[in-house]
Amino acid sequence: EDQVTQSPEALRLQEGESSSLNCSYTVSGLRGLFWYRQDPGKGPEFLFTLYSAGEEKEKERLKATLTKKESFLHITAPKPEDSATYLCAVGGGAQKLVFGQGTRLTINP
Amino acid sequence: NAGVTQTPKFQVLKTGQSMTLQCAQDMNHEYMSWYRQDPGMGLRLIHYSVGAGITDQGEVPNGYNVSRSTTEDFPLRLLSAAPSQTSVYFCASSAVLSSYNSPLHFGNGTRLTVT
Repeated sequence: EDQVTQSPEALRLQEGESSSLNCSYTVSGLRGLFWYRQDPGKGPEFLFTLYSAGEEKEKERLKATLTKKESFLHITAPKPEDSATYLCAVGGGAQKLVFGQGTRLTINP
Repeated sequence: NAGVTQTPKFQVLKTGQSMTLQCAQDMNHEYMSWYRQDPGMGLRLIHYSVGAGITDQGEVPNGYNVSRSTTEDFPLRLLSAAPSQTSVYFCASSAVLSSYNSPLHFGNGTRLTVT
């Protein structure tokens, strides 16, 4: 059964303090790994898709990387507006999307 | 550029009542789906559709019905509401006929409380 585990559940950083969020997955044949951002009271907003180990994608202060077992979302010099819940999801051999529980990120000014 | 629009934003029902959650998209996407989001459980797929007239069950379909008469609309019906259906419901669409290898566009959700 495809599984996704995100860690930590919550992370509090100071503005400018870089860190990484983890998404560990077990899937029979990765079709795609997705990162979404979700603000309170809103729907998830698509950030990145990664398809193969070694792939990296960047957007502003965010960089997503992928290995055969996990993905990292690196946040460099974050700002308060980066505060949100970040969701990871994988599509695998079962031909369905499985979401993790998310990491709630808070950036203090 | 509206994207995916969900109505209502909030709803309170009594046990046993029925209602329909509305979802419309203006991106001409063939794939549409309904998820529920509960604390500590992540997003779970309820039902999905790959085009007008075609629907299928997801992970947690019991207690819900869907239909797809047009490309734009994909309503979710609660037949007889139960407290276990208290949740936030999201509609999502995709340009590709699957969710497992293409990004989803989400609406802003309907927060449902069943008392």
